[in-house]
Amino acid sequence: QSALTQPASVSGSPGQSITISCTGTSSDVGGYNYVSWYQQHPGKAPKLMIYAVTNRPSGVSSRFSGSKSGNTASLTISGLQAEDEADYYCSSYRSTSRVVFGGGTKLTVL
Amino acid sequence: EVQVVESGGGLVKPGGSLRLSCAASGFTFTNAWMSWVRQAPGKGLEWVGRIESKTDGGTADYAAPVKGRFTISGDDSKNTLYLQMNSLKTEDTAVYYCATEGYTYGYHAFEMWGQGTMVTVSS
Repeated sequence: QSALTQPASVSGSPGQSITISCTGTSSDVGGYNYVSWYQQHPGKAPKLMIYAVTNRPSGVSSRFSGSKSGNTASLTISGLQAEDEADYYCSSYRSTSRVVFGGGTKLTVL
Repeated sequence: EVQVVESGGGLVKPGGSLRLSCAASGFTFTNAWMSWVRQAPGKGLEWVGRIESKTDGGTADYAAPVKGRFTISGDDSKNTLYLQMNSLKTEDTAVYYCATEGYTYGYHAFEMWGQGTMVTVSS
């Protein structure tokens, strides 16, 4: 099963905004509002940042937002901070009851 | 405190077996869907499989690479999730995480994660 497609890396300066894309198909991203985003710092477990395309869990900064258009979902981080430097993964429910992840995007804060 | 704690990782030879455990606390395990997610060294996250809560039918689903070799089960009396791994291959080498799936927020989101346990398959 193919992973969702994410850019390998993105970068931005403190205070700027960046967007990470996550492209799938009509069988996953485009077919369900079950896209989530995770942040992972080196050596740590992933942390849920966005669920159901646009929703933030309690405690997650409002600087993080999600959206979707067709088969592509996006994570936007505004007002970049040094602590945002991490790997980011998208996931989506896929028909046949399974879940698929993106390949991950390394965010560098310059 | 809500947490899940994995254990049971280690070094195993190709073709061998290993059982991972995930001890849950601080939430109602019997109502939780639980998933296993793995991460090979230097690689991305990969969903391994899940088990639905007993109240929702208790069905287990698996990713294609592990189907037929891995089995997920749960012991509600011990609040513990298991991953039985048989016929292990070198490509199964990874950190294995357990996580709740959709317990708080629904929508197949993985909310509570453990710290992971390392499985190395090597001769």
